[in-house]
Amino acid sequence: NAGVTQTPKFQVLKTGQSMTLQCAQDMNHEYMSWYRQDPGMGLRLIHYSVGAGITDQGEVPNGYNVSRSTTEDFPLRLLSAAPSQTSVYFCASSSGQQSYNEQFFGPGTRLTVL
Amino acid sequence: KQEVTQIPAALSVPEGENLVLNCSFTDSAIYNLQWFRQDPGKGLTSLLLIQSSQREQTSGRLNASLDKSSGRSTLYIAASQPGDSATYLCAVRPGAQKLVFGQGTRLTINP
Repeated sequence: NAGVTQTPKFQVLKTGQSMTLQCAQDMNHEYMSWYRQDPGMGLRLIHYSVGAGITDQGEVPNGYNVSRSTTEDFPLRLLSAAPSQTSVYFCASSSGQQSYNEQFFGPGTRLTVL
Repeated sequence: KQEVTQIPAALSVPEGENLVLNCSFTDSAIYNLQWFRQDPGKGLTSLLLIQSSQREQTSGRLNASLDKSSGRSTLYIAASQPGDSATYLCAVRPGAQKLVFGQGTRLTINP
């Protein structure tokens, strides 16, 4: 199993540009989520999904859009990039919502918005 | 609102020492608590998960404890090695899908 994969690893955007961060998992996990990690702020939840076709907002959803058309993929879209979205983005997945279910994280995408 | 605090923010110890990392959380209503390791520029690696009904979990030289009533968890690392140098993150799961993270303890093991 490749686990949770993310592409690209690095990206530089100009203000106002749009892009999609890709996330895929091959563990047949129902639950997937996106976090951003910022110095002094820790990791914060952006959006999450409990299954194909079902998504919901997390703590910091503004400026981001998600969809979940398959179990494997959970892309994160930046609609109009802003410097405040410069961050490291992590995708995570979990097989269920029981207390014994771990969350597994991808390697991250480092995004800079100029 | 659930808040997670990790103290100290940074710790430097000589190789071979046993050490304890601390995590505290404000709301005892959690599903579980997970300890992660993060190497510079890398993703998060899950180390241990403690369910809300459990008191501790062990994996090799690592032992994590959970005291829900006091809102505390500790990660004990035995016989530390330079390869243990990393940032250690504690996260609690207050609901079905959300993890609330502490800011981490940056650990340096000196040879």
